[in-house]
Amino acid sequence: AQKITQTQPGMFVQEKEAVTLDCTYDTSDQSYGLFWYKQPSSGEMIFLIYQGSYDEQNATEGRYSLNFQKARKSANLVISASQLGDSAMYFCAMREGLSGKLVFGKGTKLTVNP
Amino acid sequence: ETGVTQSPTHLIKTRGQQVTLRCSSQSGHNTVSWYQQALGQGPQFIFQYYREEENGRGNFPPRFSGLQFPNYSSELNVNALELDDSALYLCASSLALGEAFFGQGTRLTVV
Repeated sequence: AQKITQTQPGMFVQEKEAVTLDCTYDTSDQSYGLFWYKQPSSGEMIFLIYQGSYDEQNATEGRYSLNFQKARKSANLVISASQLGDSAMYFCAMREGLSGKLVFGKGTKLTVNP
Repeated sequence: ETGVTQSPTHLIKTRGQQVTLRCSSQSGHNTVSWYQQALGQGPQFIFQYYREEENGRGNFPPRFSGLQFPNYSSELNVNALELDDSALYLCASSLALGEAFFGQGTRLTVV
C-alpha cells in the first residue's frame, strides 16, 4: 500500500532563509507522481509542485524546488527566500500509476519568523 | 484562485441527519475527487468521478455517496451523520490524471 511520511510536525525558519520540508514515500509501483500542497488556515489546498517518477531532473517552480531522490524514496520540498506568507501547513502527496487517488502525509506546519 | 468552488463553506448538522455538499469543477476538467480532512490530519480519499461514473473509492462506508453531472460538477452526500464525520471536505478537479486543483472546502460540524 502507498504511504507518505512527513516526520516534521512543525518547522521554524527566519524570513529570507531557505527551509527543507521532508517527505518519504513507499510504493511498489514503478509509475507514480509526487505532489506538494500548501494549506493556509483558510483551508484551500494550493498546488505547489509536481515530480513524476520518470522525471530525471528535479522539479522547480519559482521559489519551490523538489529534491527527488528515487533510490531513497524521498521527495523533499525546498523553499528558498522564505516569506511571512509562506507560514502554513504543507502536505506531501503521492498518486500511484493510473489512479487519480492522492495519498497524503500528515503535514508539516511551517512558521516563518520576521 | 483555482476555479474550483464548493458550497456551502460552513455547515452545522445534527447526528443522524443527511447532508449534501456541492462542487463546481474548473472549466474543462472532467474528473472530480472528494477528500475528508479531520482536524490535524492529512486529507483522506473518499471517491473519484470521471465522466459521471465512480472510478475509485477509498475506505469509506456506503452512507458516503456521490454524483457527477454532465457539466462535471459534483455532489457528496452523507447519510446518517455521525459525530466523527465532522471534518473539512475538499473537492479536487482535474483533467483525467493531470494536476488536481482543490476548492476552499466545506467545514462540516456534526453535533
